[in-house]
Amino acid sequence: QVTLRESGPALVKPTQTLTLTCTFSGFSLNASGMCVNWIRQPPGKALEWLARIDWDDAKHYSTSLKTRLTVSKDTSKNEVVLTMTSVDPVDTATYYCARIYYSPISGWSGFDSWGQGTLVTVSS
Amino acid sequence: DIQMTQSPSSLSASVGDRVTITCRATQNIRSYMNWYQQKPGKAPKLLISGASSLQTGVPSRFSGSGSGTDFTLTISSLQPEDFATYYCQHTYSTTWTFGQGTKVEVK
Repeated sequence: QVTLRESGPALVKPTQTLTLTCTFSGFSLNASGMCVNWIRQPPGKALEWLARIDWDDAKHYSTSLKTRLTVSKDTSKNEVVLTMTSVDPVDTATYYCARIYYSPISGWSGFDSWGQGTLVTVSS
Repeated sequence: DIQMTQSPSSLSASVGDRVTITCRATQNIRSYMNWYQQKPGKAPKLLISGASSLQTGVPSRFSGSGSGTDFTLTISSLQPEDFATYYCQHTYSTTWTFGQGTKVEVK
């Protein structure tokens, strides 16, 4: 059974750095084609893809946020960490991590497993 | 970046109705399109990947079609549990985007 769980602070002050951790089980991020993503959703608004880290340690970021984001993995702990610098109230959102995998036969799987999300509020 | 435009942004429908949601990409994304359902306070659920592949356990009343720039999610006979918000999302290129969502409400 695949599970993912996000953890991190519920409240962050403007200009600070936000660090979120995704702890997963039921799959290995060492397996070829496996990837973990970060996605966020401001209250009442649409989903926004933020970043992805792949099994081979390749990293991909949203064009609009790439200067502020860093994603990393610790495969021994089954963890993926997202840091976001210089947060602002507009970064207030529920942050999700989600799995996706690529198969040369069937292509991308879609985000087939999600964490429950963690609400982060940016306020002084 | 490739942008996804969903329409309509919301719709009102009754149980038993046929519902169609469209998503248009700003460039050719072949069949790299996924559809999700989200209910309030919950994480999204993957319905369809690769434009038309129904995920295991998803009812057959859901279907997806299209390729290139124009895609459709169809619910053939709306059920009470289908009232939710639906999102399209592409996996073409290295940066991905979601559509803005379509809220399906009770008429």
